[in-house]
Amino acid sequence: EADIYQTPRYLVIGTGKKITLECSQTMGHDKMYWYQQDPGMELHLIHYSYGVNSTEKGDLSSESTVSRIRTEHFPLTLESARPSHTSQYLCASSDWTARTDTQYFGPGTRLTVL
Amino acid sequence: AQRVTQPEKLLSVFKGAPVELKCNYSYSGSPELFWYVQYSRQRLQLLLRHISRESIKGFTADLNKGETSFHLKKPFAQEEDSAMYYCALSGPYSGAGSYQLTFGKGTKLSVIP
Repeated sequence: EADIYQTPRYLVIGTGKKITLECSQTMGHDKMYWYQQDPGMELHLIHYSYGVNSTEKGDLSSESTVSRIRTEHFPLTLESARPSHTSQYLCASSDWTARTDTQYFGPGTRLTVL
Repeated sequence: AQRVTQPEKLLSVFKGAPVELKCNYSYSGSPELFWYVQYSRQRLQLLLRHISRESIKGFTADLNKGETSFHLKKPFAQEEDSAMYYCALSGPYSGAGSYQLTFGKGTKLSVIP
């Protein structure tokens, strides 16, 4: 079934650890996105990708990095987690259409850094 | 810079009452606007977009360029409408035929039985 998967769903980790948040989609979409959302706040785009080997930074500066080696996979990495990274991270994907392409979201990863 | 404003953080209405979730935007170009919804324990999903001029689950939204608004309306609220609603604007252009989505902070709708 076509879907977007994110793992883990919840992660509690200590300061200084390296973490990777996984995002995979079986939608067949070229474009993928990472958003960060603090509780009660709006979503902010932190990374996006048009396709394999394409990555761009979004409007919110983030210390995280992303890679796009395979079309269906768009992992996000934090080399050294800090409490300020505590947030919810949402992955999304969209199809190549006109400018009004619809974004489909994964279930999110809630990250807590102690 | 583009901006989306949802002035109400929380909106409570009684079942059967009309609902209006407000959304105002600021954008220099010709906007494309969306409403996304997140039900409890579910993921964020598209509710409707203005170019489709559609009604989804009884909700409609009209783009008013003069007032720079895209309010979401439903004549009779149902309990299952309780959710978090986000207004979003497509822009700016980010290349490769893609536009970024700018989200508002969201409005939590609570329908009282």
